[in-house]
Formats: sequence, C-alpha cells, structure tokens
Amino acid sequence: AQTVTQSQPEMSVQEAETVTLSCTYDTSESDYYLFWYKQPPSRQMILVIRQEAYKQQNATENRFSVNFQKAAKSFSLKISDSQLGDAAMYFCAYRRQTGANNLFFGTGTRLTVIP
Amino acid sequence: KAGVTQTPRYLIKTRGQQVTLSCSPISGHRSVSWYQQTPGQGLQFLFEYFSETQRNKGNFPGRFSGRQFSNSRSEMNVSTLELGDSALYLCASSFSVGADGYTFGSGTRLTVV
Repeated sequence: AQTVTQSQPEMSVQEAETVTLSCTYDTSESDYYLFWYKQPPSRQMILVIRQEAYKQQNATENRFSVNFQKAAKSFSLKISDSQLGDAAMYFCAYRRQTGANNLFFGTGTRLTVIP
Repeated sequence: KAGVTQTPRYLIKTRGQQVTLSCSPISGHRSVSWYQQTPGQGLQFLFEYFSETQRNKGNFPGRFSGRQFSNSRSEMNVSTLELGDSALYLCASSFSVGADGYTFGSGTRLTVV
C-alpha cells in the first residue's frame, strides 16, 4: 500500500525567506505522480505543484520548486521569498499513474509566515 | 468559470440520523471524487464517480454511499451517523478519470452531536 509521510507537523519562516517542507513516500510502483497541495483557512485544497515520477527534472512553479529524489522516495517542497499568503497547511500527495486514481495524502505541515 | 461547489458548507446532525452532501463539479468535468478529512485520520479517499458509475471506492463502511447524476453533479450519503463521522468532506472534480487537474471544493463541515 502507498503511504505518504510528512515528518514536520509545523514549520515557520520569516517573510521573504526560504523554507523547505519534507515528504517521503513508500511505493512499489515505478510510475506515479506526486503533488503538493495547499489548504488555507478557506479549506479549499489548492494544487501547488506536480511531479511525474518518470521525469528526472524537478518541477518548478514560480516561487515553488521541488527536490524529487526517486531512489530515496523523497519529495520536498521549497518555497522561496515566502509571503504572508503562503501561510497554510501543506499536504504532500501520491497518485498511481495507472489503475486506481485516488490521492494518498500525508498528514500535512502547518506553515506559519512571520512578518 | 465557476469552481467546484459544495453544499451546504456547514451541517449539524444528531447521532443515528442520515445526511446528504452535494457537489457540483466544474462545468465539463465528468469525474467527481470525495475525501474525508479529520484531525485523527487525515485525508482519506471515499469514492470516485465517472459518468454516473462508481469507479473506485475507499475503505469505508457501507453507511457511506454516493451517486452521480447525468449532469455530473454528485451526492454522498451517510446513514446512521456516528460521532466519528464528524469531519470535513471534500469533493474534487476532474475532466476524466486519471486526469491530473483535480480541483477541490471548499468542503462541507459535518458535525455529529
């Protein structure tokens, strides 16, 4: 079974600084997708960034980038130039490439941005 | 275009009652998935529907059921409510099964007393 682990329940960062959120996962499959979702107080899950396992290049979306280490089954999220609006719960998620398409989520990391 | 709409936003029910939650996907999206979010268990997959057919189901008791209508709108029903069913229920829609573009709604907060 796929499991996703986020070992940092809470993190904080100074505004304009950089922070890295950790995520590890366990799977026996070779092809899959990994995601980072953000959940602000509005409760809506918002997709931050997505990585296909077959791509060696790390995904980047503006101030958000990932460090994908397939052999180590690690998928960390780096937020550069942190902004107050980045404060939220961040969830790492895994999805198979074939077969069942549901997302497996980690337990989340609460990010606080300090002005 | 309008996002995923979930109604109601908040709901309070008594143990033993049943409840129905509604999800209207983004226009053109035919796949709808449901997730339960609790502080203790985190986010767990309930089920996924595509073209009115359940395609995938999570590990939840039979008290949890759902359906999808021809216009892709989906409902989930929980019968014989238990205190442990108190949770945020999130709906996500996508164009097709397996599509990457999952868009979530803001959820329905269910409290069972």
